[in-house]
Amino acid sequence: GAVVSQHPSRVICKSGTSVKIECRSLDFQATTMFWYRQFPKKSLMLMATSNEGSKATYEQGVEKDKFLINHASLTLSTLTVTSAHPEDSSFYICSAGQGAKNIQYFGAGTRLSVL
Amino acid sequence: AQSVTQLDSQVPVFEEAPVELRCNYSSSVSVYLFWYVQYPNQGLQLLLKYLSGSTLVKGINGFEAEFNKSQTSFHLRKPSVHISDTAEYFCAGFSGGYNKLIFGAGTRLAVHP
Repeated sequence: GAVVSQHPSRVICKSGTSVKIECRSLDFQATTMFWYRQFPKKSLMLMATSNEGSKATYEQGVEKDKFLINHASLTLSTLTVTSAHPEDSSFYICSAGQGAKNIQYFGAGTRLSVL
Repeated sequence: AQSVTQLDSQVPVFEEAPVELRCNYSSSVSVYLFWYVQYPNQGLQLLLKYLSGSTLVKGINGFEAEFNKSQTSFHLRKPSVHISDTAEYFCAGFSGGYNKLIFGAGTRLAVHP
C-alpha cells in the first residue's frame, strides 16, 4: 500500500516553455500533497503544500506564479513550471500524506532539464 | 530552532559489517520521526517511523532505529549491510504539526565488497 506515482520521470524542454508534472496517490486518498525540489547532493527543499480543493501554501522564496500547483482531487496534484528557464533545472519530488498524521509517501521524482 | 541533524555526510562500510547512521533532533521538533532511503535518481522510500510506543522501531530491509528522548536521537542501524544498501539516507521529523517534514542533510551510505 501507500504507492505514489509521479509522471514524467524525466523531461527536457526549451527555455520559455511550460512543463506539467503529475503526482497521484494510487491506493489511498491524500488531502495533502507536498512538492519538493532537490539540488544535487542536497536534501529536499519543501516548495509548497497542496491541499485538495484549496490554494496551495508556498514556502518563503518560492514564486507561486512560476510554480503553479493544482490539487483537483484527493488522488491528484499537479505542478506546472511556467516559462521554464535553465535555472529551474532540478529534481522535483512529490509526496502524498496518508492518514490523520499525514505520513508522507514519495513519488519517484521528475528530472527537469531546461535547455 | 527546529532542526534535524545527521552527523555524518558519508559512511563507508564493508559488506556484511554492521552500520549506524546517526540522527539528532532539536527539542522543538515533534517526536514523530522517520528514516527514508533514496536510491540514485529515485524518490524517497519510507524505511521506518516512530510515532509512539516501543522506542525500538523495526523497518524494512532489516533496518531498525531507536528513539532516545534523553539524547534527542533516532539513530538507524543494520547488523549486516549488503551492497544493495548503498544509497542516501534521510532522517526527518514533523515540525509544527503534521504538515511539514524537516529533513536532515542526508547520509551517503557506501557499502564496499
